[in-house]
Amino acid sequence: GAVVSQHPSRVICKSGTSVKIECRSLDFQATTMFWYRQFPKQSLMLMATSNEGSKATYEQGVEKDKFLINHASLTLSTLTVTSAHPEDSSFYICSARDRRAGAMETQYFGPGTRLLVL
Amino acid sequence: SQQGEEDPQALSIQEGENATMNCSYKTSINNLQWYRQNSGRGLVHLILIRSNEREKHSGRLRVTLDTSKKSSSLLITASRAADTASYFCATDGSGNTGKLIFGQGTTLQVKP
Repeated sequence: GAVVSQHPSRVICKSGTSVKIECRSLDFQATTMFWYRQFPKQSLMLMATSNEGSKATYEQGVEKDKFLINHASLTLSTLTVTSAHPEDSSFYICSARDRRAGAMETQYFGPGTRLLVL
Repeated sequence: SQQGEEDPQALSIQEGENATMNCSYKTSINNLQWYRQNSGRGLVHLILIRSNEREKHSGRLRVTLDTSKKSSSLLITASRAADTASYFCATDGSGNTGKLIFGQGTTLQVKP
């Protein structure tokens, strides 16, 4: 089945540093990947849509200079949290749509990355 | 923005009982999906129902969709302790953007 991985699974960093999170589709190609954020005991909030070979589109209220997204290939998207602060501590989850015809409705989610900023 | 509302927010039942969760949404949709999330983990896709479908089954899961009421329900029959998790509905709006808008989720606890 379709598998999406994320790395790292957990990261602790100091305030002011930048953190990069990778999202990979392991056995399919994804022209579109999505980044979500989830606070404890809350639902997922869409942050941005990552399109292979083009700029990401951000949801309202999400700072694009704060959350840098790069989708360099059909299997990899990265989210960089720049100058991280404690309020950026959250669970970040990516998802990917399989580009094969007939399969695009289903999104496959990564296992998530827990970020703790001290 | 979040558009889905789910009820109940929390549900506690005994093993063997059925669990029903409801989801409402606000805009027109292409499809509605249900996901499961174990604590601190990623999401697992359970079932997708298209806007022109009214009911769908998958194993012990039964999903209904009422587009006139903009609501959906997820029924888990003969629940097991392993079904303990949070369940989210997500809608994929018109335009096939792939953007999913998630409901607030229902936390299900199945007691052995």
